[in-house]
Amino acid sequence: NAGVTQTPKFQVLKTGQSMTLQCAQDMNHNSMYWYRQDPGMGLRLIYYSASEGTTDKGEVPNGYNVSRLNKREFSLRLESAAPSQTSVYFCASSETRANTGELFFGEGSRLTVL
Amino acid sequence: AQRVTQPEKLLSVFKGAPVELKCNYSYSGSPELFWYVQYSRQRLQLLLRHISRESIKGFTADLNKGETSFHLKKPFAQEEDSAMYYCALRPGDKLIFGTGTRLQVFP
Repeated sequence: NAGVTQTPKFQVLKTGQSMTLQCAQDMNHNSMYWYRQDPGMGLRLIYYSASEGTTDKGEVPNGYNVSRLNKREFSLRLESAAPSQTSVYFCASSETRANTGELFFGEGSRLTVL
Repeated sequence: AQRVTQPEKLLSVFKGAPVELKCNYSYSGSPELFWYVQYSRQRLQLLLRHISRESIKGFTADLNKGETSFHLKKPFAQEEDSAMYYCALRPGDKLIFGTGTRLQVFP
């Protein structure tokens, strides 16, 4: 019963490098989300996908791109990493808003940009 | 503007003391509010939702539209309640979180 799986769990990048965070869910959920968690800032929404084939910007989308590859997978890409993107990234999924609105979270990916 | 405010970064109490974690929101529509909890080395998970009017692990939260608040309360804190607590607002298809309050319960 995996739920939401994120890879990698840890990553260290140099400024300017690119990388993709992968997320997959096995609950047949329609909606998927990427958040970043920073001390004192809480969780901030980067991008979300309400359904397969759609993506929308959240509160802090600059410097990121996303791909909803299929219903299961939602990836987050950093094209040119910056130190300000050092954070813990969480992927989440949920049923449509017609349901309870409960989000199921992954374990997080800790990214350090030097 | 849609916003969730949690004014306390840290709340420290002794076991058996009452706990109130504050949450205020700003939203022009009919709010849907939630409390999420993150225990040490565990995933963030839903604690309770206002629409259910339920008590989970002894915690309750009442929506006060007049004061635009959704404070989380527990009459007698336990050590296992120590965690990070996030209040969240759902406008549409996304969830907006507050900055979180860390609750420390000392023995």
